Amino acid sequence: QKEVEQNSGPLSVPEGAIASLNCTYSDRGSQSFFWYRQYSGKSPELIMSIYSNGDKEDGRFTAQLNKASQYVSLLIRDSQPSDSATYLCAVNLATHYGNNRLAFGKGNQVVVIP
Amino acid sequence: DAGVTQSPTHLIKTRGQQVTLRCSPKSGHDTVSWYQQALGQGPQFIFQYYEEEERQRGNFPDRFSGHQYPNYSSELNVNALLLGDSALYLCASSLGAEEFFGPGTRLTVL
Repeated sequence: QKEVEQNSGPLSVPEGAIASLNCTYSDRGSQSFFWYRQYSGKSPELIMSIYSNGDKEDGRFTAQLNKASQYVSLLIRDSQPSDSATYLCAVNLATHYGNNRLAFGKGNQVVVIP
Repeated sequence: DAGVTQSPTHLIKTRGQQVTLRCSPKSGHDTVSWYQQALGQGPQFIFQYYEEEERQRGNFPDRFSGHQYPNYSSELNVNALLLGDSALYLCASSLGAEEFFGPGTRLTVL
């Protein structure tokens, strides 16, 4: 079983619509969860962090976490062409060091159609 | 406030050669992690440095080694390069839970 799974294929959404991305993880001890945005040819950029069950909103982005189901999601409201990118889900694996050891999913490509 | 910087931006090497990649962390960050990202994949954790020591290591062979200096900057060394080492190498720095990536070094092995 992969540590972090993002199984959806490329997602095409009309401009102004909501894009929904999902991620599952295997390590029940994980406490920190992140979404990164990566434009083609660029490095990942941190856009959301979430640590507690429930929703966290930041501008047009909402992250949702359900630790019981080992599930993290990202909603992008009012999608803009500039949101076209690959979105990477990352999970901080529980280690006895208590620090970062991120595991990433392979990413979901989002294409916003004007 | 300068972010994470990496050098060089691009590098072309041939099989069997050795390469050194460099990273300067974001100001105030003391931990540096290195990742390898193949095309179409998510970043894969190579190792992490804290207080000049390798603290954690991913599933990478000993050909991959690193170093952290007292100013927290770091190097990634890869020996005996293979074609499969061609990838984007990312450095990330952190102080707490959040990691911030540099622009990466694109390594091509011919």
